[in-house]
Amino acid sequence: NAGVTQTPKFRILKIGQSMTLQCAQDMNHNYMYWYRQDPGMGLKLIYYSVGAGITDKGEVPNGYNVSRSTTEDFPLRLELAAPSQTSVYFCASSTGTMGETQYFGPGTRLLVL
Amino acid sequence: KQEVTQIPAALSVPEGENLVLNCSFTDSAIYNLQWFRQDPGKGLTSLLLIQSSQREQTSGRLNASLDKSSGRSTLYIAASQPGDSATYLCAVAYSGAGSYQLTFGKGTKLSVIP
Repeated sequence: NAGVTQTPKFRILKIGQSMTLQCAQDMNHNYMYWYRQDPGMGLKLIYYSVGAGITDKGEVPNGYNVSRSTTEDFPLRLELAAPSQTSVYFCASSTGTMGETQYFGPGTRLLVL
Repeated sequence: KQEVTQIPAALSVPEGENLVLNCSFTDSAIYNLQWFRQDPGKGLTSLLLIQSSQREQTSGRLNASLDKSSGRSTLYIAASQPGDSATYLCAVAYSGAGSYQLTFGKGTKLSVIP
């Protein structure tokens, strides 16, 4: 049981490039989330999904896109990377049941230059 | 809009001391409150989760309390150890459209000096 896995661990992008951050979970959780964490700040929700084929915006969705074709995978797409997207990105999953915790992946550190 | 504040931002204590981390939130309409631990370069690990109907939760040397009416929670760590050094994040769960969502504080960075 690997839990929540994320790839890559670290990536440097040039301004204007695109990339996809991968996230997978093997706990059969319906709910998945993408957060970003800027230095010295708390986590902010980018997008979330309550099941395959269903996604919705969080607090800071601009510049990102997501898809959820399977229960296991929830990739985050960055189009036209900007320096403001330099951050650490965390994926999380949960059963969605009120009162249950979210399980977090190890994060992807992204630097946009 | 829910806001979560953690005080202090950083704390340094000698090994063996008992310590308290504070968390406050602006909207008392929460489902639960969680304390997470974050080690450098790692993800978040859930330490304690307190349901809105509960007053406290305990796990080993950790005790978390919740006063929903005043919008406050504390994390008490007894007999601190160097291995407790990490950033501790407080998060409150509230009802978003179709899901429950977490609002995080900025964290308290704890250093336990041997």
